[in-house]
Amino acid sequence: AQSVTQPDIHITVSEGASLELRCNYSYGATPYLFWYVQSPGQGLQLLLKYFSGDTLVQGIKGFEAEFKRSQSSFNLRKPSVHWSDAAEYFCAVRLNSGTYKYIFGTGTRLKVLA
Amino acid sequence: GAVVSQHPSRVICKSGTSVKIECRSLDFQATTMFWYRQFPKQSLMLMATSNEGSKATYEQGVEKDKFLINHASLTLSTLTVTSAHPEDSSFYICSASLQGAITEAFFGQGTRLTVV
Repeated sequence: AQSVTQPDIHITVSEGASLELRCNYSYGATPYLFWYVQSPGQGLQLLLKYFSGDTLVQGIKGFEAEFKRSQSSFNLRKPSVHWSDAAEYFCAVRLNSGTYKYIFGTGTRLKVLA
Repeated sequence: GAVVSQHPSRVICKSGTSVKIECRSLDFQATTMFWYRQFPKQSLMLMATSNEGSKATYEQGVEKDKFLINHASLTLSTLTVTSAHPEDSSFYICSASLQGAITEAFFGQGTRLTVV
């Protein structure tokens, strides 16, 4: 069965520090992968996506993610975190057949210390 | 990017009444729309997938008669929570996409439903 795992429920970093949020997926076919950010009471904002090609993808707000097929991972990184990055982050995989639905990870809540 | 508008953003209703949530794709035709439910501090749980002009496909455990989904046009899908109860209080999010297209789905801003 398809699934997405985000091992870290909470992460706390100091402002200016680097960040890596982990995401592992289970999907038999070539995955379409996404990272979304959600502020409290808000919808989802797309940070970046991977469909094919270069395995290192750049997104908005200085985020990047690297697709590693051998590790079934799609970790999100940012070299220097800003206080405004505090939010909930969701990794998702989109199925490439049938209903093309999305499967979301459980989310990682990022707290940024001043 | 494409815009999906969800309305209302917040709604409070009395127990036993029904409430309708609209999801509109503003600048593209959405073959497929998805409805999600999100409990506090939890992930998005897919409730159903709707394709324009056909019946929605509900995920296991989702009551079809409780959560009525209509996707009558390529730009509008509605979710009606019938005979709402306090346990239906939640954050509901829709998304829309062109089925099969190599594009991402676009998400609405969500609707906070509170049943009192």
